[in-house]
Amino acid sequence: GQNIDQPTEMTATEGAIVQINCTYQTSGFNGLFWYQQHAGEAPTFLSYNVLDGLEEKGRFSSFLSRSKGYSYLLLKELQMKDSASYLCAVRFGSSNTGKLIFGQGTTLQVKP
Amino acid sequence: GAVVSQHPSWVICKSGTSVKIECRSLDFQATTMFWYRQFPKQSLMLMATSNEGSKATYEQGVEKDKFLINHASLTLSTLTVTSAHPEDSSFYICSGEGTPNSPLHFGNGTRLTVT
Repeated sequence: GQNIDQPTEMTATEGAIVQINCTYQTSGFNGLFWYQQHAGEAPTFLSYNVLDGLEEKGRFSSFLSRSKGYSYLLLKELQMKDSASYLCAVRFGSSNTGKLIFGQGTTLQVKP
Repeated sequence: GAVVSQHPSWVICKSGTSVKIECRSLDFQATTMFWYRQFPKQSLMLMATSNEGSKATYEQGVEKDKFLINHASLTLSTLTVTSAHPEDSSFYICSGEGTPNSPLHFGNGTRLTVT
């Protein structure tokens, strides 16, 4: 299987830091993506990890451990506009263009 | 860069009719396009993978005769929902991939309502 698990909902306070975890089955792994999706809109790309370690992009960072089948998205200095659904997506397949499978998404609510 | 245009944004159709959704990559050539469906408060479910000039590969449980996919050029893929029923009402999103392992770029989605 290609089970991708992430928490359903999270709540955090404006200005704080929040970490959204994602676990996946490692067989066939070929890259992990994080997307942000606001209600009624298409997902927008946030980050990509294929090697172990931390990728930093402004207020957003993403970490990957391939051996553990684990990733997290870290959001710093939270803003109200960060309230959205965050989707962990894993590319499976031995070819360069294997299919991208999404987790169920984590709905983040940022409160004042 | 890497813009994907999807049309129409929303459509309402009667049960039994067919609806065509277009997905175009505007500034890159998408050798592979993916079609997803998203029901309210759920994540994106991959329906099929289409490669230019070849037949689409459908995910398990997706009826290929109902959801016709055509990828005739490197910049255009179409999804036709045939004989639509109310349970087909959903948010359909296409995405294109330019180079291998590059992030998928999504169209803005098509909200289909079947009455």
